[in-house]
Amino acid sequence: DAMVIQNPRYQVTQFGKPVTLSCSQTLNHNVMYWYQQKSSQAPKLLFHYYDKDFNNEADTPDNFQSRRPNTSFCFLDIRSPGLGDAAMYLCATSSVLADEQYFGPGTRLTVT
Amino acid sequence: AQSVAQPEDQVNVAEGNPLTVKCTYSVSGNPYLFWYVQYPNRGLQFLLKYITGDNLVKGSYGFEAEFNKSQTSFHLKKPSALVSDSALYFCAVRDEGMDSNYQLIWGAGTKLIIKP
Repeated sequence: DAMVIQNPRYQVTQFGKPVTLSCSQTLNHNVMYWYQQKSSQAPKLLFHYYDKDFNNEADTPDNFQSRRPNTSFCFLDIRSPGLGDAAMYLCATSSVLADEQYFGPGTRLTVT
Repeated sequence: AQSVAQPEDQVNVAEGNPLTVKCTYSVSGNPYLFWYVQYPNRGLQFLLKYITGDNLVKGSYGFEAEFNKSQTSFHLKKPSALVSDSALYFCAVRDEGMDSNYQLIWGAGTKLIIKP
């Protein structure tokens, strides 16, 4: 089945230690999104890629970066995680901008 | 300002009864409306969408939603609830007229609890 895969499902990192979360998709979608979700709140969009074009949300901290080396993969880098960055990170894809999005299972990040 | 409201933090329904999860929106242009469901410790799953056409939209798992332009609502419904429907439900809208037309505006979510 076509799907969105996120690894790892659970990630523990230390305060200030860089961490990378990964996302891959077999849907061949053009658009990939990264969201942050805290405590069953609405997901908050961090950035998205349309093909190779990167779009950063205005309020996304500089501490968060992303890479998309090819259509299938997208990475979220947190350069210096703080305690406030502990959250569920969701990757999603869509075939075109603003069409329905297909989400991965998420990576729950814990910062110690 | 663009917004989505889910007025109920939690909805409790007995198994077998009909359920409704409410959503109202405010956009300046034509709305594109979505419902997503999130099971515990999982990502969101797309349920259904309204873009244009028939106001009654049918989606996954027996859910449907009715677009009501005059009331600016898009309530999620199911005729007979199952315990397995217990989850967090999010309504989202995109404003066709927005410059950043990829951006979804999300409701706060409604926790649906179906009791046996």
